Amino acid sequence: SAVISQKPSRDICQRGTSLTIQCQVDSQVTMMFWYRQQPGQSLTLIATANQGSEATYESGFVIDKFPISRPNLTFSTLTVSNMSPEDSSIYLCSVEDDADPIHYGYTFGSGTRLTVV
Amino acid sequence: QKEVEQDPGPLSVPEGAIVSLNCTYSNSAFQYFMWYRQYSRKGPELLMYTYSSGNKEDGRFTAQVDKSSKYISLFIRDSQPSDSATYLCAVERNTDKLIFGTGTRLQVFP
Repeated sequence: SAVISQKPSRDICQRGTSLTIQCQVDSQVTMMFWYRQQPGQSLTLIATANQGSEATYESGFVIDKFPISRPNLTFSTLTVSNMSPEDSSIYLCSVEDDADPIHYGYTFGSGTRLTVV
Repeated sequence: QKEVEQDPGPLSVPEGAIVSLNCTYSNSAFQYFMWYRQYSRKGPELLMYTYSSGNKEDGRFTAQVDKSSKYISLFIRDSQPSDSATYLCAVERNTDKLIFGTGTRLQVFP
């Protein structure tokens, strides 16, 4: 299955600043996904990123707050903008494993643990 | 009503016990059902997936889907301390979108 490298693994940021999270995949994938995992809550999809097109955002998430780039088939970034303590969460990128359709699985990165103070 | 409901636990069992983890879902249109395991400070990893109703077995793990009652289960036989993790159920609503339960934290003690 695909291997995902996500950076940074954790960060502590001041409110009002922005953080860009990087997601690198070791193989070409069509779709990349960004999730948020808040304590005691389920993983929530933020947006879906296809190479060469605008990301598609889920209800409750907007591009101004979470701009996403997808410059090629192996890389994506998620920026958390103008952060507030409510943005403290784990952010994960995920890919659908095109090379392993039998298992119909999604592979996740290890996540970025963000604390906003 | 949440689309997927899962008891958050925690669930604490002795080594060798049979563990039963469960989720319910609300939308009968869901077709794919998955279980992910997430160790502390790691991303979720796919454990089992099932299409439509029925059982699927993989070693000590059995996934079960009952679409008539909108109920999905994961059974772990002969549980080991290494099984200690959070288990998340997930369903697919439409193409390329997973909806997750909140996860059940499992601890298997020696």
